[in-house]
Amino acid sequence: GEDVEQSLFLSVREGDSSVINCTYTDSSSTYLYWYKQEPGAGLQLLTYIFSNMDMKQDQRLTVLLNKKDKHLSLRIADTQTGDSAIYFCAERGGYQKVTFGIGTKLQVIP
Amino acid sequence: NAGVTQTPKFRILKIGQSMTLQCTQDMNHNYMYWYRQDPGMGLKLIYYSVGAGITDKGEVPNGYNVSRSTTEDFPLRLELAAPSQTSVYFCASSYSNRGGTDTQYFGPGTRLTVL
Repeated sequence: GEDVEQSLFLSVREGDSSVINCTYTDSSSTYLYWYKQEPGAGLQLLTYIFSNMDMKQDQRLTVLLNKKDKHLSLRIADTQTGDSAIYFCAERGGYQKVTFGIGTKLQVIP
Repeated sequence: NAGVTQTPKFRILKIGQSMTLQCTQDMNHNYMYWYRQDPGMGLKLIYYSVGAGITDKGEVPNGYNVSRSTTEDFPLRLELAAPSQTSVYFCASSYSNRGGTDTQYFGPGTRLTVL
């Protein structure tokens, strides 16, 4: 079945860039997403990219998609303490099924 | 719009008790989902619904039941609660069609402990 993998933990210093990586297996993916979960809350969509795009930029966020390698990354520029959260990669594959990764916990050190 | 609302926020159950987790959305979304989130395990899909009257199993349906009698409501029923069902439960909804982004909107979660 479809699988989405991401590392469990990332620690960065405030002001640095964060890069969270994700790999997926479904070659029929149409959309790929990044969701953010703050402590005690549900997931909230941060951004998404259509599968025929290579890059999408939205203020401090840059999403890069390498469809050949099935690799997705999220770069957060000038990372702030408020960016500390769990970031979930997700992909929408065949039959409109969405599969989530395990989540990467981002810790921002002041 | 209130978005996706869930009740209760917290609940403690004894082994063998039953309860219903409520979920309501006011965005006229056709798809609704129930997930459970265990520490370090990400999200596991329990059940989902593609419209009123239609439900289907996800990855981990055992011990749960759902119904979808209206577009707005998607309750999750736990029969004979077990300690393995201790988790945080999230309801989500989306408007899903072939051309759309299928963004899921999540409720705030219900933290359930079974003792």
